[in-house]
Order: sequence, then C-alpha cells, then structure tokens
Amino acid sequence: SQQGEEDPQALSIQEGENATMNCSYKTSINNLQWYRQNSGRGLVHLILIRSNEREKHSGRLRVTLDTSKKSSSLLITASRAADTASYFCATDAGEYGNKLVFGAGTILRVKS
Amino acid sequence: SQTIHQWPATLVQPVGSPLSLECTVEGTSNPNLYWYRQAAGRGLQLLFYSVGIGQISSEVPQNLSASRPQDRQFILSSKKLLLSDSGFYLCAWSGEAGDDTEAFFGQGTRLTVV
Repeated sequence: SQQGEEDPQALSIQEGENATMNCSYKTSINNLQWYRQNSGRGLVHLILIRSNEREKHSGRLRVTLDTSKKSSSLLITASRAADTASYFCATDAGEYGNKLVFGAGTILRVKS
Repeated sequence: SQTIHQWPATLVQPVGSPLSLECTVEGTSNPNLYWYRQAAGRGLQLLFYSVGIGQISSEVPQNLSASRPQDRQFILSSKKLLLSDSGFYLCAWSGEAGDDTEAFFGQGTRLTVV
C-alpha cells in the first residue's frame, strides 16, 4: 500500500517560476524523503527531512514538514527546463529495515 | 564508492515463462535491499525488502518471489509470468536499519510480458 500521496498529479509551469508539490502520509514517520525520476530511469535522492525538523534547504530546493498534519511540501525555486521530471515523496516509518514507501508522484513539466 | 547494478535493462517475455532479475550492490555491506514495481505513469509499489541474507519481507501477495543468496545480491523471480507482471522494476539499497539513510536506485528493468 502507498503511504504518501502527492498533489498535484501533474504540474506545468514556465521556466523561472516556482514549483510546489505536496505530499501527505498516514502513519508516524522517522523521516520523509523526496526523489526525482527522469523518464524511464531510476530514482535519484534529492533531500531528507527528519521528523523533528520543520524545514530544510538544498540549493534551489526547500522542503517543509508538518508532522501534525502529516504533510510535506517540496518547493523548487527559479525552475529550469532541466527540472522536468517526476517527483516522489517517500516515508520511512522506522519499521523493520527502514522500509521506504513511495507516493504516486507529481509529474513536473517546465516549459522554456 | 557504492554502486548498484541491475540487469537486464529491457526484457520481453512470453506469458507463462519464468523470470529472473538480478541486482547487485558494491561498496557497502549489510545493505537493506528493495524491489519496487512501477506501472506506466504511476508511483512505486514496494514488492519485497530485505534486511539481511535470507530475510525477505513480501509486501504484496502476487506471482513473484525474491531471494537474497548473498549479502549484496537480490533476485526477483517468477515461475510463470502473467500479462499483469509487465512494468518497470527497480532495485534499490539503503543503509542499515536505524540510520536516516537515503535509497540508491538501479536504472531499472522494463519488463513486457506478451
């Protein structure tokens, strides 16, 4: 079963605009992670935020986590055409083996 | 540095044929290993994960099985493929349990059952 659910399912923006994607989950977590997938390829890790953190930055990425609402958001600032990809959140509930459960993803298209 | 190898990249198999996808990890020991399946345009469905040799947890009952004969080898198998087994299969590894660790993915195998 999927733990995280992202919205929107698809997002189309112009180059230079900001892109915001949201993720909701159902159970308590140890951390939440965001990944990127280019078409037909494996996933690449972007950023990890621990359950005791509220905000984290990495370059043009900003992630927030609200454990009371069981939600997270990923903001990509000043988007570029190369940011076009699918973005997934994944939760680590600290269960047996750090099991990572992924959401359905957001397809981001950045138009140049 | 750590690397993950997954093969083959693409595979076309007839219904009823067996399947064996292999994934190996280099440069780390006692990794957590995962098999995911991704349907077209969809998210990742966790199929199996393993925290050690011979320790496999199945997430979704189905026509597939997994084995971990060596510490850094994870194999996804089927005795008889179904049309519904078509999809993009991804292997991944992460650090030992207890760490806040990211997952590293292979490049995936696109399986088409015909």
